[in-house]
Amino acid sequence: GNSVTQMEGPVTLSEEAFLTINCTYTATGYPSLFWYVQYPGEGLQLLLKATKADDKGSNKGFEATYRKETTSFHLEKGSVQVSDSAVYFCALPAYSRTGNQFYFGTGTSLTVIP
Amino acid sequence: EADIYQTPRYLVIGTGKKITLECSQTMGHDKMYWYQQDPGMELHLIHYSYGVNSTEKGDLSSESTVSRIRTEHFPLTLESARPSHTSQYLCASSDQGPGANVLTFGAGSRLTVL
Repeated sequence: GNSVTQMEGPVTLSEEAFLTINCTYTATGYPSLFWYVQYPGEGLQLLLKATKADDKGSNKGFEATYRKETTSFHLEKGSVQVSDSAVYFCALPAYSRTGNQFYFGTGTSLTVIP
Repeated sequence: EADIYQTPRYLVIGTGKKITLECSQTMGHDKMYWYQQDPGMELHLIHYSYGVNSTEKGDLSSESTVSRIRTEHFPLTLESARPSHTSQYLCASSDQGPGANVLTFGAGSRLTVL
């Protein structure tokens, strides 16, 4: 079945540092891949997505490339800000008998210090 | 701006009380979900619905129940709360068709049972 494995945190970086959060997946077929972000005290919100192999999703300076050959969808940002402090979740849909659900990674907490 | 609303945002109650967590969305989405988020941040699907009068249990067994009498409304009820129910509960919805893979989340309801 479908699953995601996400880099464990927590991650602490200084402002303007480079960020990578690793995500690898196991899937039947080629599902869309997603990164969601959860800011403190809030629900999750979609950060970016990629719908097919070699697609690059991007938003708010974050990028992730759908790599079929390495089954990866690593999240990157060249220069993090304090406002990027949040929990990041990798996700993919899981198509079941009754319709699609979603698998989420365990979440990676990022803290950016000034 | 969020189009899915959860109330209450925070609730502290005693053991044995009945509680209902409300979730409403204004997007006309057919699919709705309840996730339980533990302190380690991991998300567990506890209930989902694919439309009016449709409800299914998720991957994580839960003593809560849900109902879907109207498209926009998906409340979760605990008949007799216990300390083990202390958690954050996130409601989400998704569309059919091309938008089916994107989840929109509410801000969450944080429940503490004493």
